Amino acid sequence: DSGVTQTPKHLITATGQRVTLRCSPRSGDLSVYWYQQSLDQGLQFLIQYYNGEERAKGNILERFSAQQFPDLHSELNLSSLELGDSALYFCASSGTRGSYTGELFFGEGSRLTVL
Amino acid sequence: AQSVTQLGSHVSVSEGALVLLRCNYSSSVPPYLFWYVQYPNQGLQLLLKYTTGATLVKGINGFEAEFKKSETSFHLTKPSAHMSDAAEYFCAVSVSGNQFYFGTGTSLTVIP
Repeated sequence: DSGVTQTPKHLITATGQRVTLRCSPRSGDLSVYWYQQSLDQGLQFLIQYYNGEERAKGNILERFSAQQFPDLHSELNLSSLELGDSALYFCASSGTRGSYTGELFFGEGSRLTVL
Repeated sequence: AQSVTQLGSHVSVSEGALVLLRCNYSSSVPPYLFWYVQYPNQGLQLLLKYTTGATLVKGINGFEAEFKKSETSFHLTKPSAHMSDAAEYFCAVSVSGNQFYFGTGTSLTVIP
């Protein structure tokens, strides 16, 4: 158990809809990362937050947005969904205050299916 | 800019044979290096990491990797493959512990 919790584990929705994926990082971790994993694209970095502030942006579509809240949990919002958005979305965390070990800790992922 | 190249998207080995998964990186500054494993329908788990110090690092499940600065490589090895090693393996590099760059992954098949 990595200590990173993602909900929901599975989500099926229709094209054009909007969904929200939630991530609770390991206790005390300040950084949250979002990744998209699909069969043809591999593991794609979407966005990183550090202590509530956006730190880095990767290949995140304009239809997608994220935020990190004061309690450090994060949400990834996906809107105007397309078939190609079907993928596994991972959250990872790192950077516990006073105890930085360098690696990312991954959640189990949220599998999104767009029909 | 940093990048990671994993040679071979699919590797097959016989049970009991040596496992060698290749990873080369590019980095303008000393990197942190990682190997992660992903079993079907699961998240990524850390196998091992190199940050500083000894260049040969040992990880879980009998895996090890050696950081070779001159070759910019961080290949993953295991002396004897087990059926339970079948999974997807990702090499990753981090600079300053902030941004992480992942390779495209290598799918390991173990043949009984």
